[in-house]
Amino acid sequence: NAGVTQTPKFQVLKTGQSMTLQCAQDMNHNSMYWYRQDPGMGLRLIYYSASEGTTDKGEVPNGYNVSRLNKREFSLRLESAAPSQTSVYFCASSEGGRDFQPQHFGDGTRLSIL
Amino acid sequence: SQQGEEDPQALSIQEGENATMNCSYKTSINNLQWYRQNSGRGLVHLILIRSNEREKHSGRLRVTLDTSKKSSSLLITASRAADTASYFCATDAWGGGFKTIFGAGTRLFVKA
Repeated sequence: NAGVTQTPKFQVLKTGQSMTLQCAQDMNHNSMYWYRQDPGMGLRLIYYSASEGTTDKGEVPNGYNVSRLNKREFSLRLESAAPSQTSVYFCASSEGGRDFQPQHFGDGTRLSIL
Repeated sequence: SQQGEEDPQALSIQEGENATMNCSYKTSINNLQWYRQNSGRGLVHLILIRSNEREKHSGRLRVTLDTSKKSSSLLITASRAADTASYFCATDAWGGGFKTIFGAGTRLFVKA
């Protein structure tokens, strides 16, 4: 039982390049999330998907797009990478619903943009 | 903007001692959660405490919540070297949609 799987684990990009971060969960969770973690700032929500077919902006959505491909998969796309997007990106999932539930996290993608 | 703020930012103790971390927040919440993050790994959920609860236990962990003071504490008793990690509080609130906001974390180092 893998939980939440993120690929790739590491990536280096040049400014202006695009890439998609992949996330899949095998817990049949309804809700999925993308966060970024920068030193000294905790986690900041980029986008979330409360259920299959829906996506909503979080605290820091600019420069990113997401796709909830199906119930299992939620991808994050950087269309034109900028050095300010250098960060560690975490995907998470939870059962969802109106009652907040614990989130389960992947081990992150470490992204450097030169 | 961050809601939960942990204190202290870093804590170093000896194995066997207790560790206490505090979290303060600014607006009304539905729940407060605590997570642990080992170096290079994702966050792992520890405890969720609802706004109508005052204390919760899980093994060596004790969490308190004081909604009048908008604060929570996480106590780890009889700490072990394996407890070395960063600990984050996260506040849950409905406010124009889903809002779970993480604090910047407390880094705990337990010396063997």
